[in-house]
Amino acid sequence: DAKTTQPTSMDCAEGRAANLPCNHSTISGNEYVYWYRQIHSQGPQYIIHGLKNNETNEMASLIITEDRKSSTLILPHATLRDTAVYYCIGGYALNFGKGTSLLVTP
Amino acid sequence: GAGVSQSPSNKVTEKGKDVELRCDPISGHTALYWYRQSLGQGLEFLIYFQGNSAPDKSGLPSDRFSAERTGGSVSTLTIQRTQQEDSAVYLCASSLVVWGLKDEQYFGPGTRLTVT
Repeated sequence: DAKTTQPTSMDCAEGRAANLPCNHSTISGNEYVYWYRQIHSQGPQYIIHGLKNNETNEMASLIITEDRKSSTLILPHATLRDTAVYYCIGGYALNFGKGTSLLVTP
Repeated sequence: GAGVSQSPSNKVTEKGKDVELRCDPISGHTALYWYRQSLGQGLEFLIYFQGNSAPDKSGLPSDRFSAERTGGSVSTLTIQRTQQEDSAVYLCASSLVVWGLKDEQYFGPGTRLTVT
């Protein structure tokens, strides 16, 4: 299983881009990186995943470094509703850890 | 379509009692997962099922915890002789395949268990 490391917390001003980093230096070549978020009192919600190429969907963009040892989840225009805990999971790992608590401020 | 459902949404029980938590996955999803989230903690993996089989039970915290899945659908997590440290939100998720390339998990709303 690929171990991931994320900052405990981050702040972002509303309307600005939120860039959430994740280190996954032990990830193997065929393991995807998944991102989920958990809004208070709700179950986690899938956001995006990627292998090597950068990915974008209606929720976010995922930038993966060429060596695949780290990635960044980008919320291009953060809103107050994006305040949540964001989890980065490497490959087949099933432990979500504590994630990054993102606070979007007015 | 319907998402993952869990019941009950809240359960208060006395220490020493047994409890059963139920999960109804999304129809057609072959994989089912159980997690636990204690106050202020991350998601702790407990067990997953592929069909009715549980290849990995290593996350179950003690032999008081057990889970089963029947008909490749509904799953029950049973906690025997509950302890106060079992108090947590128990989350269930399902996905189309376990180790598939695009097996994002869909989570239910959870069951909040309080052991008094």
